[in-house]
Amino acid sequence: GEDVEQSLFLSVREGDSSVINCTYTDSSSTYLYWYKQEPGAGLQLLTYIFSNMDMKQDQRLTVLLNKKDKHLSLRIADTQTGDSAIYFCAEAHTDKLIFGTGTRLQVFP
Amino acid sequence: SAVISQKPSRDICQRGTSLTIQCQVDSQVTMMFWYRQQPGQSLTLIATANQGSEATYESGFVIDKFPISRPNLTFSTLTVSNMSPEDSSIYLCSVGLQGRRSGYTFGSGTRLTVV
Repeated sequence: GEDVEQSLFLSVREGDSSVINCTYTDSSSTYLYWYKQEPGAGLQLLTYIFSNMDMKQDQRLTVLLNKKDKHLSLRIADTQTGDSAIYFCAEAHTDKLIFGTGTRLQVFP
Repeated sequence: SAVISQKPSRDICQRGTSLTIQCQVDSQVTMMFWYRQQPGQSLTLIATANQGSEATYESGFVIDKFPISRPNLTFSTLTVSNMSPEDSSIYLCSVGLQGRRSGYTFGSGTRLTVV
């Protein structure tokens, strides 16, 4: 079945880079997404990547996709305290999203 | 991207009662999705709602417990029926203007506590 896994927790110092990892099992996934959820808020779509790409950059965010290993990562450059949140990866090959378990990013001064 | 207005934002309900959650979108969309996020957990799809047809429910979710209406292309409701404390969760609606090609937008969620 479909399964998406993430490490539960990441702690980084302000100004450093953060790398959040995600592995998935469905090889037919066509799109992969990264969402951010701040406390008490809904989900904000940060970025997404099509499965025939291996990298996408959007300002401070870089997404890397290793389709062979079914591994997705999100790098946040110059991490700020406002980046503290839970980050979810999600995959889709139909219109149904399968979400990862979420990674709680804590940024300390 | 679409703008979604979801209400109520939170509610505390008595066991055995029902709550209807509303989701209004500023654009016409074919499909609307309802998700549940249990405390400290990830999101799970409850059902997909298409205008003019019955909602399609995922495994583990049934229409009697989570009836959905989709009267037009910009509005949907999800009812949580005969609630128990296990239904305490955040419920979110979601749409995608161009489907998975452009990503999906989520409402701000309804935080439900059943006592």
